[in-house]
Amino acid sequence: AQTVTQSQPEMSVQEAETVTLSCTYDTSESDYYLFWYKQPPSRQMILVIRQEAYKQQNATENRFSVNFQKAAKSFSLKISDSQLGDAAMYFCAYLKWNTPLVFGKGTRLSVIA
Amino acid sequence: DAEITQSPRHKITETGRQVTLACHQTWNHNNMFWYRQDLGHGLRLIHYSYGVHDTNKGEVSDGYSVSRSNTEDLPLTLESAASSQTSVYFCASSSGTGAEQYFGPGTRLTVT
Repeated sequence: AQTVTQSQPEMSVQEAETVTLSCTYDTSESDYYLFWYKQPPSRQMILVIRQEAYKQQNATENRFSVNFQKAAKSFSLKISDSQLGDAAMYFCAYLKWNTPLVFGKGTRLSVIA
Repeated sequence: DAEITQSPRHKITETGRQVTLACHQTWNHNNMFWYRQDLGHGLRLIHYSYGVHDTNKGEVSDGYSVSRSNTEDLPLTLESAASSQTSVYFCASSSGTGAEQYFGPGTRLTVT
């Protein structure tokens, strides 16, 4: 079974600084999808960014970008110019064709003013 | 606007009672999922469905059941609630493989 590992249970960052959240996954597949979801205190799960494994270019969404290293099975999330509203739980997730998402256990990000 | 809703948002029940959590989506998505979220475990898959009359067990399906009689709804039933089933439950839906999953707001269930 696929596994997703987020090795940092908690992280903190100063407002306006940059932080990187780590994620590694285990798979023998060559075609799959990777996601980062954000869960603020409201509990709502929000998609931050999505990466297709066959695309070599790293996905970006405004201040959020990923470093996708397929050979290393690594998928880190970089948040630039951190804002107070970025404080949340962040979940990395893996998806292969016709199977459900597999989530990591999450990283709690605190933003310090 | 399309959405996915869950009801109730909070529920307290007693051990041994049957409980049903509702999930309704207006996205017209074929795929629907139930997860539970517990501290230290992230989100774990309970059951999922890829279409009407299709249901599949997830990682933590013991003590739970689902049925899919239409596209919009996937109710989750706890046959005989146990204290270990105290958790936050999320429903999600997606249009297909690789597509974003849209999550409901969650239901906090407490079993006393």
